[in-house]
Amino acid sequence: AQSVAQPEDQVNVAEGNPLTVKCTYSVSGNPYLFWYVQYPNRGLQFLLKYITGDNLVKGSYGFEAEFNKSQTSFHLKKPSALVSDSALYFCAVREADSSYKLIFGSGTRLLVRP
Amino acid sequence: DAGVTQSPTHLIKTRGQQVTLRCSPKSGHDTVSWYQQALGQGPQFIFQYYEEEERQRGNFPDRFSGHQFPNYSSELNVNALLLGDSALYLCASSYRGLSGNTIYFGEGSWLTVV
Repeated sequence: AQSVAQPEDQVNVAEGNPLTVKCTYSVSGNPYLFWYVQYPNRGLQFLLKYITGDNLVKGSYGFEAEFNKSQTSFHLKKPSALVSDSALYFCAVREADSSYKLIFGSGTRLLVRP
Repeated sequence: DAGVTQSPTHLIKTRGQQVTLRCSPKSGHDTVSWYQQALGQGPQFIFQYYEEEERQRGNFPDRFSGHQFPNYSSELNVNALLLGDSALYLCASSYRGLSGNTIYFGEGSWLTVV
């Protein structure tokens, strides 16, 4: 069965410091992996995805993520956090070519302090 | 370029009533999915429509039904509403459902059942 784990409910970081939001996944076949961000009382905004190719994926607002097949991880990173990055972040996985549905993690709240 | 649009944005219904939520996909997209996001949780897949047919369904009862129209817009219907149906309902669209194309979400419809 497909699943996604986001082990941290909240991540706290100071503005200007690097940030990492962790995600591990489980699928039977090849994964399509996604990161979305959700601001209060809003929908989900797409940040980046891994489909195939280079393991380091760059996305919107300076975010990037690294696909690690052996560790089944897809951690979200940013070299220098901004206060405006404070939001709820969701990792999601879909089994390539065989499933339509996205399986989401429980979300990680990122708090960037000035 | 309009993104995914949903209506209504907020609504309140009474237990036992029926509700219809509407979604217009992003321009150029032909695949629509619906997700339910309960408070404090990640989105849960309800079903996906492609070429006016339901292609995959999540673990939701038959009270949840949908439709896709020839212009690719979609409706989500929920019958016999329960208090537990209170949630944010998200519509997502993409091009060619099984591909690795990006899935974009709308702002959602907030449903409160009293």
